[in-house]
Amino acid sequence: DVKVTQSSRYLVKRTGEKVFLECVQDMDHENMFWYRQDPGLGLRLIYFSYDVKMKEKGDIPEGYSVSREKKERFSLILESASTNQTSMYLCATSTQSGEPLHFGNGTRLTVT
Amino acid sequence: RKEVEQDPGPFNVPEGATVAFNCTYSNSASQSFFWYRQDCRKEPKLLMSVYSSGNEDGRFTAQLNRASQYISLLIRDSKLSDSATYLCVVNIWNAGNMLTFGGGTRLMVKP
Repeated sequence: DVKVTQSSRYLVKRTGEKVFLECVQDMDHENMFWYRQDPGLGLRLIYFSYDVKMKEKGDIPEGYSVSREKKERFSLILESASTNQTSMYLCATSTQSGEPLHFGNGTRLTVT
Repeated sequence: RKEVEQDPGPFNVPEGATVAFNCTYSNSASQSFFWYRQDCRKEPKLLMSVYSSGNEDGRFTAQLNRASQYISLLIRDSKLSDSATYLCVVNIWNAGNMLTFGGGTRLMVKP
């Protein structure tokens, strides 16, 4: 069974702080993704990566950056957190494009 | 028009009822289709893939209609534990074969 682990379940940060969300997978999947989910807006793709050191912008990359230094780890960085980044953040992996996604259990981030 | 559309519901049904959800997609070249289930405050989990010939898994049946560009999910003999949000997911070829999520349909099964 694929295991996708997100470092924190709940996180509270102040406006302007730099925030790191970590995601680790144990199944050697090529693709990793970061989504955010908000009521009424559904799941929206922030960034994704097809390989180590490779990243692509999703639909809403503004205010975020990512890092993939190792295949199993994909980090989401909020350079300067803002209140509109309060959300549920979900990491996902897949073996290749078009294949099902496997999600981590999410990080609920509150920015005050 | 959204690329993947679902009726948000909620669908309120009694235990034992049969309920069906539809999901329409706009990209005629889409090849991969999935239904996910998401419980409140939890992550989405794959319920089933949707194949051209249709497929069944216990009380759940998924169908694909390419001509009309929709997929469906049928749940028979609803259980209280089926209460969740059901997400339709479709790949979008002209966007790097990315998977795109519908907004979800909420199902509430009542005793």
